[in-house]
Amino acid sequence: QKEVEQDPGPLSVPEGAIVSLNCTYSNSAFQYFMWYRQYSRKGPELLMYTYSSGNKEDGRFTAQVDKSSKYISLFIRDSQPSDSATYLCAMSAPSGTYKYIFGTGTRLKVLA
Amino acid sequence: EAQVTQNPRYLITVTGKKLTVTCSQNMNHEYMSWYRQDPGLGLRQIYYSMNVEVTDKGDVPEGYKVSRKEKRNFPLILESPSPNQTSLYFCASNPGGGWNYGYTFGSGTRLTVV
Repeated sequence: QKEVEQDPGPLSVPEGAIVSLNCTYSNSAFQYFMWYRQYSRKGPELLMYTYSSGNKEDGRFTAQVDKSSKYISLFIRDSQPSDSATYLCAMSAPSGTYKYIFGTGTRLKVLA
Repeated sequence: EAQVTQNPRYLITVTGKKLTVTCSQNMNHEYMSWYRQDPGLGLRQIYYSMNVEVTDKGDVPEGYKVSRKEKRNFPLILESPSPNQTSLYFCASNPGGGWNYGYTFGSGTRLTVV
């Protein structure tokens, strides 16, 4: 079993839809949770960062962490064609080594 | 502009011919790391460095070497590349010093070993 599981998709939605992207994990020591967006032929860019549990909102993006269920989500409201990318979740335990475990990514396509 | 710069972006080489992929960051970050990205396997850490002259193995270090002689540079060396090292490689940096706010990634190096 992988430490972090992420549905690879692809996920196709119409423009304006609410998108829900999810990851599950098995290591209860994870405290830092991140979402990265990766456009084709580009490096991942940090989209959202959350420490421990709870919600965090940034514009059209909301990150949620449910540590009791070992489940994290990224919601995109009013999705745009420019949101079409691969979304990677990443997690880290407070070990001092900044070791992140990445999900394999979910490919999202927003149709105009 | 704060960034991580990798070179080259694309590289085709033959088995056994030594190569180096360069990585440089201009953010004075302490922590740097190399990842490879393969379909279905995601990003896997090859090596990391917590500061100058301090490096350690990640999850898939076999066949790779690194060095950290200056804070800004972290080259990845393949002494004898093999076809199973064909992959997309990313260098990344992190402020370190207790600030676990995620990595800044380079644009990637697509390596093909024939």
